Amino acid sequence: KNEVEQSPQNLTAQEGEFITINCSYSVGISALHWLQQHPGGGIVSLFMLSSGKKKHGRLIATINIQEKHSSLHITASHPRDSAVYICAGSGGGADGLTFGKGTHLIIQP
Amino acid sequence: DAGVIQSPRHEVTEMGQEVTLRCKPISGHDYLFWYRQTMMRGLELLIYFNNNVPIDDSGMPEDRFSAKMPNASFSTLKIQPSEPRDSAVYFCASTALAGDTDTQYFGPGTRLTVL
Repeated sequence: KNEVEQSPQNLTAQEGEFITINCSYSVGISALHWLQQHPGGGIVSLFMLSSGKKKHGRLIATINIQEKHSSLHITASHPRDSAVYICAGSGGGADGLTFGKGTHLIIQP
Repeated sequence: DAGVIQSPRHEVTEMGQEVTLRCKPISGHDYLFWYRQTMMRGLELLIYFNNNVPIDDSGMPEDRFSAKMPNASFSTLKIQPSEPRDSAVYFCASTALAGDTDTQYFGPGTRLTVL
């Protein structure tokens, strides 16, 4: 059974700080997704990774296949980054997702 | 494109009633997923379809739940009879398999409350 473990569960930081959220996953998962869920409840896909590193604006996602570990980084964090960040794994292709429990991030001004 | 469309956005019903949730995927997407989110269990996959055919329904909790996709632009998730423990937000998502960009696009969700 695919499993995804995410940490920390909660994170509060000051505006401008560098943020890191970690995710480890089990054998059987070959692609790792990072999602963002805002207080209104909507879910947005940020990245899908099967190797290497991806960057979009102030967000960077990395994956280490050998260690089965992925990280999401936010540079120059801003209060609007406050949300729940969820990592999810899939077996490859357009497979159903197995989700971590999410990281509730609060960026204080 | 309008994105993934779900209806209704909110549903309040009484225990024992039939509930039908609806989803319209993004045009051209050939994969459709139903997920459920609760405080206790977080997000979990219920079922997914490829080209209107159910591929994996192992997440469907029990026989009270059924899902159909009669055509490429419409899917339903039905609960009959509903129970209070079915209260959750139900998300539909869709994607098209294209290299390494099989990003899933989520609908706004249907918040179901069973009294």
